[in-house]
Amino acid sequence: AQSVTQLGSHVSVSEGALVLLRCNYSSSVPPYLFWYVQYPNQGLQLLLKYTTGATLVKGINGFEAEFKKSETSFHLTKPSAHMSDAAEYFCAVRLFGNEKLTFGTGTRLTIIP
Amino acid sequence: DGGITQSPKYLFRKEGQNVTLSCEQNLNHDAMYWYRQDPGQGLRLIYYSQIVNDFQKGDIAEGYSVSREKKESFPLTVTSAQKNPTAFYLCASSPGTRSYEQYFGPGTRLTVT
Repeated sequence: AQSVTQLGSHVSVSEGALVLLRCNYSSSVPPYLFWYVQYPNQGLQLLLKYTTGATLVKGINGFEAEFKKSETSFHLTKPSAHMSDAAEYFCAVRLFGNEKLTFGTGTRLTIIP
Repeated sequence: DGGITQSPKYLFRKEGQNVTLSCEQNLNHDAMYWYRQDPGQGLRLIYYSQIVNDFQKGDIAEGYSVSREKKESFPLTVTSAQKNPTAFYLCASSPGTRSYEQYFGPGTRLTVT
């Protein structure tokens, strides 16, 4: 069975500071990995994904994430936080050939002016 | 514009009534999904469908029903058997088994009193 753990349900960073949102997965085989962002009362928007190939993936809005197989992690980072980054972020995993996405419980990011 | 539409945005019902949530996509995607979102619990899969006239239960299907009579439509009925129906419901679609990510609609917030 696969599962996703997002460490920290709430994260606060100052505007201009580094954003780091943590995601660890448990899976017997390397999965496909995703980060989604959700603004209040809206649907989810794909930020980035890892399927195969380069382990450092870049997404929209300046975000990037690195797949580390040895650590079973896929942490999301952004060098400099902007007020517009305030939202909830979800990590998700999907096994090859499996139709289902398994989501973490989400991390709410607050940006301090 | 291609995308996924969910209507209505807000829905109010009395306890004991069935209610149907609409989900339509014009992306020509084969697979469609329904999720339920509750605070602090991430997204949980209710039902999914990979082709017309076929669908499978997700992790929390009890008290819900779906149909898939057309490729572009996947309505969800919340029945009176659902013990705690108040939640935010998200519909998603995916091109198919060879694709990875899911694309989400804007969601419907259902309140049952």
